[in-house]
Amino acid sequence: AQSVTQLDSQVPVFEEAPVELRCNYSSSVSVYLFWYVQYPNQGLQLLLKYLSGSTLVKGINGFEAEFNKSQTSFHLRKPSVHISDTAEYFCAVSDGLRTYKYIFGTGTRLKVLA
Amino acid sequence: SQTIHQWPATLVQPVGSPLSLECTVEGTSNPNLYWYRQAAGRGLQLLFYSVGIGQISSEVPQNLSASRPQDRQFILSSKKLLLSDSGFYLCAFRDRSSGNTIYFGEGSWLTVV
Repeated sequence: AQSVTQLDSQVPVFEEAPVELRCNYSSSVSVYLFWYVQYPNQGLQLLLKYLSGSTLVKGINGFEAEFNKSQTSFHLRKPSVHISDTAEYFCAVSDGLRTYKYIFGTGTRLKVLA
Repeated sequence: SQTIHQWPATLVQPVGSPLSLECTVEGTSNPNLYWYRQAAGRGLQLLFYSVGIGQISSEVPQNLSASRPQDRQFILSSKKLLLSDSGFYLCAFRDRSSGNTIYFGEGSWLTVV
């Protein structure tokens, strides 16, 4: 079965500093990968997704992620964070063959400090 | 455009009482539908998914059940709630035309007391 590991439960970072949130998934023949953001007491909002093609994916709010098949990773990055980026971030994987099950990681809480 | 709504937004229920959370999707046909639960510090747990009317797959054994009486309606139920059922419940849908992406509703906070 597919699984997703987000290694960091919390990441504190100062405003305007770069950040990387890590995500690793269990290997499969083909996968679709996603990052979602959740602000307090809200549902999840899609940040970006990798389905195929270029391994560097750009999303909303200045975030990007790189799909690395050999390392089975899909790390999320932003070169300069803002206070408003404080939220919880979830990595998710879908089995490309069946594409009806989406498995999420346990989330990383990003706290941007002034 | 597609929209998804779930209700109620918040619910406080005593132990042993029944539960019904409802989710509806608009602007799409024959979507895949999902119920997730988010417990504090434990990420999202897939509870049920449905690929069509009356077709429900359960991921985790528990005292919850799901039903899909109409194409764009997904209901999460329980006959008798437990304290451990407390959490944030999220409904989601996948539209096959949206690049295999799932989209979430606003969530429902359930507190069992």
